[in-house]
Amino acid sequence: GENVEQHPSTLSVQEGDSAVIKCTYSDSASNYFPWYKQELGKGPQLIIDIRSNVGEKKDQRIAVTLNKTAKHFSLHITETQPEDSAVYFCAATSGYALNFGKGTSLLVTP
Amino acid sequence: NAGVTQTPKFQVLKTGQSMTLQCAQDMNHEYMSWYRQDPGMGLRLIHYSVGAGITDQGEVPNGYNVSRSTTEDFPLRLLSAAPSQTSVYFCASSYGSRAAEAFFGQGTRLTVV
Repeated sequence: GENVEQHPSTLSVQEGDSAVIKCTYSDSASNYFPWYKQELGKGPQLIIDIRSNVGEKKDQRIAVTLNKTAKHFSLHITETQPEDSAVYFCAATSGYALNFGKGTSLLVTP
Repeated sequence: NAGVTQTPKFQVLKTGQSMTLQCAQDMNHEYMSWYRQDPGMGLRLIHYSVGAGITDQGEVPNGYNVSRSTTEDFPLRLLSAAPSQTSVYFCASSYGSRAAEAFFGQGTRLTVV
């Protein structure tokens, strides 16, 4: 089955800096790569996703890049703010079931 | 729209007890799934359903049962609770097509003593 690796497990940045989280996947059939943000005590919420026919996607301060050949994709957050502090999960799938990475705990300090 | 609603939010069980975690969605989504979240393990798929009457196992199905009699509801049953089932459980739903955005409930924190 699909195996998704996510790094780093924790990340601390200063407000205004950029944050990058990286994921790799094993199944070349995977074609959908969402990123979820989970705040304390809440369920994960989709923040951005990318499909295999696209190399990059951007939504305001958030961007995702995909390298299908290398089987890796990354989340980029620019101009970080304290409210970006949360746990971020990457996932990959070629069907219905999402295969998640183990998460990155991001802390943005003022 | 309420989205995905899970009940209860918190539950404490004794070893060997059974219970049902409820999940309901009002978005007419065909696909529903259950995950468990443990520290450092991410979210692991327990069971999923692609429509009423159809269910299948995920990565960690042992000790859990599901059924899908309606589009809206997807309950998760713990047959005989064990301490290893202490976890936070999330229900999710998405549109019928593959590779679609999943909407998560707020979670049920279960402790088995």
